[in-house]
Amino acid sequence: EAGVTQFPSHSVIEKGQTVTLRCDPISGHDNLYWYRRVMGKEIKFLLHFVKESKQDESGMPNNRFLAERTGGTYSTLKVQPAELEDSGVYFCASSQGVTGDQNSPLHFGNGTRLTVT
Amino acid sequence: AQKVTQAQTEISVVEKEDVTLDCVYETRDTTYYLFWYKQPPSGELVFLIRRNSFDEQNEISGRYSWNFQKSTSSFNFTITASQVVDSAVYFCALRGPNYNTDKLIFGTGTRLQVFP
Repeated sequence: EAGVTQFPSHSVIEKGQTVTLRCDPISGHDNLYWYRRVMGKEIKFLLHFVKESKQDESGMPNNRFLAERTGGTYSTLKVQPAELEDSGVYFCASSQGVTGDQNSPLHFGNGTRLTVT
Repeated sequence: AQKVTQAQTEISVVEKEDVTLDCVYETRDTTYYLFWYKQPPSGELVFLIRRNSFDEQNEISGRYSWNFQKSTSSFNFTITASQVVDSAVYFCALRGPNYNTDKLIFGTGTRLQVFP
């Protein structure tokens, strides 16, 4: 079974540019999450999709961030325009079914390291 | 408010030493879940364990063991006879009782370096 895959693994962009991160969850996983770790700090929740619907986007920092999951498969996270404080590692995670069934824990991807200069 | 504190930023040990990673949490929920994840140099977060707030039984899995104590709001992780492959960043995390989400509250992580 393929794991959660994220692309690109690294991205270096200039302030003001646009970047789009992609996440392919494990096949069949309805739940998809985005998290972010700013250098040296805790990993913070950004948002949660159930299939194609946004279940919880309370962690999205501002309207420069746009997440989509068309068709309930892969998801994209666009940052436009990027600012210096957006630098960090963006993690995607997926889980199967209702997450209250904790026999199916979150599966994380390798993350995308974003550097805004 | 929910919070997870991992006071140890970095720990260095020599192979075969035992090491304990501390995790202290804060929550007002009576039902909650605690997790440990490992982030090896390759970058992905690897699930290690989940504990429910109503199950304080300690758990052992090979060289790994976890000590959950509600009285001190702690969920510490011990690696016995550490190995170089244990070198990684370890994250403790907390989740509330809502069954519809895996919105985790993470600590800042502890970087463990095991030297040969």
